[in-house]
Amino acid sequence: DTAVSQTPKYLVTQMGNDKSIKCEQNLGHDTMYWYKQDSKKFLKIMFSYNNKELIINETVPNRFSPKSPDKAHLNLHINSLELGDSAVYFCASSRRPSGTNYNEQFFGPGTRLTVL
Amino acid sequence: RKEVEQDPGPFNVPEGATVAFNCTYSNSASQSFFWYRQDCRKEPKLLMSVYSSGNEDGRFTAQLNRASQYISLLIRDSKLSDSATYLCVVTKAGTALIFGKGTTLSVSS
Repeated sequence: DTAVSQTPKYLVTQMGNDKSIKCEQNLGHDTMYWYKQDSKKFLKIMFSYNNKELIINETVPNRFSPKSPDKAHLNLHINSLELGDSAVYFCASSRRPSGTNYNEQFFGPGTRLTVL
Repeated sequence: RKEVEQDPGPFNVPEGATVAFNCTYSNSASQSFFWYRQDCRKEPKLLMSVYSSGNEDGRFTAQLNRASQYISLLIRDSKLSDSATYLCVVTKAGTALIFGKGTTLSVSS
């Protein structure tokens, strides 16, 4: 199926650990994103990559490091996990926006991270 | 002030009802506007784009008022399957989506 996929779907870990979330899209898109949805359901952009180049980096602790090995993959590595990192992390992809033209973003199913 | 503000609801309506959601945004330079739908424990999905002239997709009608920085979504003849959270979304710099916190709709039989 053509889609945006994420692994793992659920991640439960202890404070202080380091963990990674993987994202892959087979839609042929060249722009990928990470969003965080917190316990209050507020969905907020974290990072965006276009053709493996970081183009958006919102105010996110530097414990979060995105890595894009190729256009189809955008992984998120989190160091020294904290309780406040508990959230659902969504990956998304789109064709590259040009000027004022918006290209629909397709979201993965999310990774529910719980830090104990 | 949040960039995108919505009434969180919940809106509890019977089947067949008409329900309207409102949204305001703070950045007058926002370029594109959307409604996304998010089912419980699922990812957001695009419901429809919103144009200044207003646009309709079946039972759904979206309106944009750039002068008032106001966006609306009207759902006619509500179905049980319309129960979800509706997210008002604007774009910033043509790339990142800025989401409102969402309005929860519950349609009952």
